[in-house]
Amino acid sequence: AQSVSQHNHHVILSEAASLELGCNYSYGGTVNLFWYVQYPGQHLQLLLKYFSGDPLVKGIKGFEAEFIKSKFSFNLRKPSVQWSDTAEYFCAVNARWNTDKLIFGTGTRLQVFP
Amino acid sequence: EAGVTQFPSHSVIEKGQTVTLRCDPISGHDNLYWYRRVMGKEIKFLLHFVKESKQDESGMPNNRFLAERTGGTYSTLKVQPAELEDSGVYFCASSQERPASLSTDEQFFGPGTRLTVL
Repeated sequence: AQSVSQHNHHVILSEAASLELGCNYSYGGTVNLFWYVQYPGQHLQLLLKYFSGDPLVKGIKGFEAEFIKSKFSFNLRKPSVQWSDTAEYFCAVNARWNTDKLIFGTGTRLQVFP
Repeated sequence: EAGVTQFPSHSVIEKGQTVTLRCDPISGHDNLYWYRRVMGKEIKFLLHFVKESKQDESGMPNNRFLAERTGGTYSTLKVQPAELEDSGVYFCASSQERPASLSTDEQFFGPGTRLTVL
């Protein structure tokens, strides 16, 4: 069965600090990978996605993620966080060409202090 | 363009009662998904409609949950009778018909319905 593991449940940073959120998945086949974000009081929105091609994917608001197939990882990074990045971040995968359903991790709550 | 909408935003009911949640997808989106997040846990897939047909209902917890999508537009998710463990946030998402060149397409999420069963 597919699963997604997000190692950090709660991360606290000061503005301008660098961010890396870990995401590992368990699935033997080919996957599509996603990071979603939920800002306080808002709905889930797509931050970035990887389907194929360049494993370094750039998303909105200066975020990027790198797919490392050998490590089954898709870590999210941002070189310098802002207070407005305070949100909950979810990594998700789906089995390519097999299903559209998304398998989510438990989420990482990020708090950025000015 | 209006996003995915869900109604109600909150619902508080007693154990044994019935609740119906509604989702209106983005206009023209054939795919509609229901997900649920129980407090502190991951967001879990419940089911997937393509137009009015159930494509995948492997995530439905039990037969107390009934989802419908009449006419391939809005969808309802009914819980009858509700149990304490049904509490959580129910998300709906929609996506366009997948282009042949893509293995999947972006799912757009609604704000969720927070269900509390007392």
